[in-house]
Formats: sequence, structure tokens, C-alpha cells
Amino acid sequence: DTEVTQTPKHLVMGMTNKKSLKCEQHMGHRAMYWYKQKAKKPPELMFVYSYEKLSINESVPSRFSPECPNSSLLNLHLHALQPEDSALYLCASSPEPLGPYNEQFFGPGTRLTVL
Amino acid sequence: AQTVTQSQPEMSVQEAETVTLSCTYDTSENNYYLFWYKQPPSRQMILVIRQEAYKQQNATENRFSVNFQKAAKSFSLKISDSQLGDTAMYFCAFMMRGGATNKLIFGTGTLLAVQP
Repeated sequence: DTEVTQTPKHLVMGMTNKKSLKCEQHMGHRAMYWYKQKAKKPPELMFVYSYEKLSINESVPSRFSPECPNSSLLNLHLHALQPEDSALYLCASSPEPLGPYNEQFFGPGTRLTVL
Repeated sequence: AQTVTQSQPEMSVQEAETVTLSCTYDTSENNYYLFWYKQPPSRQMILVIRQEAYKQQNATENRFSVNFQKAAKSFSLKISDSQLGDTAMYFCAFMMRGGATNKLIFGTGTLLAVQP
């Protein structure tokens, strides 16, 4: 299994809703990432988990809450989002947090719309 | 801080022809990695090619090759025999070797359209 899966593919939510995005990989990778991508823009790093511990938070607002329950699973909990949070949310994983085995494998993304 | 610049927002090429996408970067580091990622419309981002800065030889993957000029801090991607499936957004990315984590710094992207 050489892929990163993300669910759901599409999500529409109101500003008062609570929802979660899910990411899964079964490649034994020890680093996982959340990115936010606006249309025709590069991905912006949000969070990095290394060996299931949060190692980087790129000053993301607290309405985004990441969670790494185990080495294969990464969640992003959403609460009280704003319309400007509408974007494609990408998950990625890499074999190691550091070192030469650093290719990041991306999932297909969750297209989030906040009304 | 490292920056990556892609000066061509959009490019077009005829099928079977060759196209070169430009990328320049700025860093004071000596050891790093450079990547080209491809993101087709509504599809997953995938790695096209990777270059390690300490290797002088340019990386090649089938129809994709790079021209890595370390002194000039330039990392262009050449696509030979372009195919319709090459239509995508292409991102150049930088990663420091030995940093606190494997953080990718992306350029703004080049939207490539392959015309039949």
C-alpha cells in the first residue's frame, strides 16, 4: 500500500459546526503533515507530526486542532471556522521526520467549503 | 530564510515537444534538497524528481530531467516529448538538509498546458 487516503473528499460546513478530517497511511511513515491549499496557490504547511508528536505548528488558529491517535492516522478537528478557511486540505506523509528519506507523499485532499 | 521563485505563472507546449520550467531559490545553506512536484487538475500531488544539492549530476526520471546550477541557485525542469497527461500545476520546492524537520518550501507554481 503506497498511498495516503483522506476522507471525506468534500465537506460543506457552517461556521458553528464541528467536523473532522481524516488522513491515513499504511506505509510505516513516521512523519505526517497537514497543508492548506487555496486555488492556484502552493500548499501552506499547517502542522507536522513526528513519531506521533506535534513538532511544528505554523501559528495556525486554534479553531484547527490536529490529532495523531497512532502512527497511521492523522485527524484535523475543525470548529467555528470562517469562510476564508475554505480551501483544499492536504495530508502528506514521509518515511522519516528528518534525514534523506524525506519524500512527501500527498493524499488527494479534502475540499472544504465554509458557509 | 529560504525562498523559492517560479517566474512563469503559465506555460503552454505542443504535444511531443520539449518545455523547460524555471525555478530559482535563495538560501545560505550548503546542504539541501530540491524537488519538482506535479499536481494535475483535481488530482493528487506527486513527486516528479528530486535533486540532492551535494550531487553534481543532474537528476533524470524518464522524460523529466533537471538542470541544477548550484552557484546560480537555479533548478529548472525539462519535460521531453510532452504528453497530454503532463498538463498540471508544477511546484518547485526546497528542503533544508539537517533542519529541525523535513519542511518543504514551495514556489508559487507554473501551470503547464500541453496542447494536442
